[in-house]
Amino acid sequence: AQTVTQSQPEMSVQEAETVTLSCTYDTSESDYYLFWYKQPPSRQMILVIRQEAYKQQNATENRFSVNFQKAAKSFSLKISDSQLGDAAMYFCAYETNSLGGSQGNLIFGKGTKLSVKP
Amino acid sequence: DTEVTQTPKHLVMGMTNKKSLKCEQHMGHRAMYWYKQKAKKPPELMFVYSYEKLSINESVPSRFSPECPNSSLLNLHLHALQPEDSALYLCASSQGHEQFFGPGTRLTVL
Repeated sequence: AQTVTQSQPEMSVQEAETVTLSCTYDTSESDYYLFWYKQPPSRQMILVIRQEAYKQQNATENRFSVNFQKAAKSFSLKISDSQLGDAAMYFCAYETNSLGGSQGNLIFGKGTKLSVKP
Repeated sequence: DTEVTQTPKHLVMGMTNKKSLKCEQHMGHRAMYWYKQKAKKPPELMFVYSYEKLSINESVPSRFSPECPNSSLLNLHLHALQPEDSALYLCASSQGHEQFFGPGTRLTVL
């Protein structure tokens, strides 16, 4: 069975600085997707970034980028120029691609609570 | 329209009540999901509907009864809940490998 591990329950960053959130996963599959979701206190889960395992290039979305190390099964999220609005719970998630489409097999890590200090 | 809506935002109910949660999306997505999320925990999958048919039931107690009347609407009927069922209930939809989540219903069972 696949597992996702986020080893940092809480992280803190100064506004405008850079922070990296860690995520490791375990799988025997070669084709899958990885995601970072953000959940602010307002509760809504928002997709931050996604990575397809067969793509070697690391995904980027504005200030958010990932360091995807497939062999090491590592998928960290880097937030540059941190803003107060980035404060939230961040969940790393894994999804198999074997079913040819999303079938609800999102496996979440336990989350990292990010605080941003002004 | 690129959002998933959920009503109500908050719900308080007694253990003998019957209530329903509603979820709606107009993105043409053919898969819809119900998740349960306890405080400071990740979401836990409850049900998946694919093309309006129940495809996954993660051994959820029968006091939770899902319904998908059409491709845009997903309901979760609640009956005889327990206090430990108090949680945030999230709905999501997808077409491909990206799930869009609604804002959730905060449920409190007294």
